[in-house]
Amino acid sequence: GENVEQHPSTLSVQEGDSAVIKCTYSDSASNYFPWYKQELGKRPQLIIDIRSNVGEKKDQRIAVTLNKTAKHFSLHITETQPEDSAVYFCAATFILTGGGNKLTFGTGTQLKVEL
Amino acid sequence: DVKVTQSSRYLVKRTGEKVFLECVQDMDHENMFWYRQDPGLGLRLIYFSYDVKMKEKGDIPEGYSVSREKKERFSLILESASTNQTSMYLCASKTPGQGGYGYTFGSGTRLTVV
Repeated sequence: GENVEQHPSTLSVQEGDSAVIKCTYSDSASNYFPWYKQELGKRPQLIIDIRSNVGEKKDQRIAVTLNKTAKHFSLHITETQPEDSAVYFCAATFILTGGGNKLTFGTGTQLKVEL
Repeated sequence: DVKVTQSSRYLVKRTGEKVFLECVQDMDHENMFWYRQDPGLGLRLIYFSYDVKMKEKGDIPEGYSVSREKKERFSLILESASTNQTSMYLCASKTPGQGGYGYTFGSGTRLTVV
């Protein structure tokens, strides 16, 4: 069935260190993988995404890698800062029989960047 | 910027009440979605709609229904609220561009059923 697993559920790093969050998905037809950041009390915001025809994408301090064969993708944050502290969600598209698609989300990772 | 507006930020309702959660988007998007968010469970899809009058069940539709009479408005209905429906409810609209897969979320409605 449709499933996205996300690890770890909590992650604590020192300011300046790197953070890595990993997700796996079940549907080999998935072709779009966004990452959302949700700060306390706020809505999830799209921070980066990757499509299945690309193996890696970078935007300043954040990057996402995709391994389609293994069906996993990862978020990498370098030089972490206190403002990176938030809950991060990965997601993957699942193709519906009617031709549309929907996003299925992972269970989230609470990232805490300590001074 | 796309705006997805949820009418209430906080709601407290009694068990058995019929509850309406409203969501409005201002960019003429066909696709709209309702998720609930619970600690440790992430975002789970309740219902979605591809267009006016259309609706599809998500992963956890039991106890909910939806209405899409106008393109900009997608309503989530709790037919008879129960305490296990206490949760954060998030509406989303599908954004255009690059295949149009990215979602924009509303600010959420925190519903407490007592």
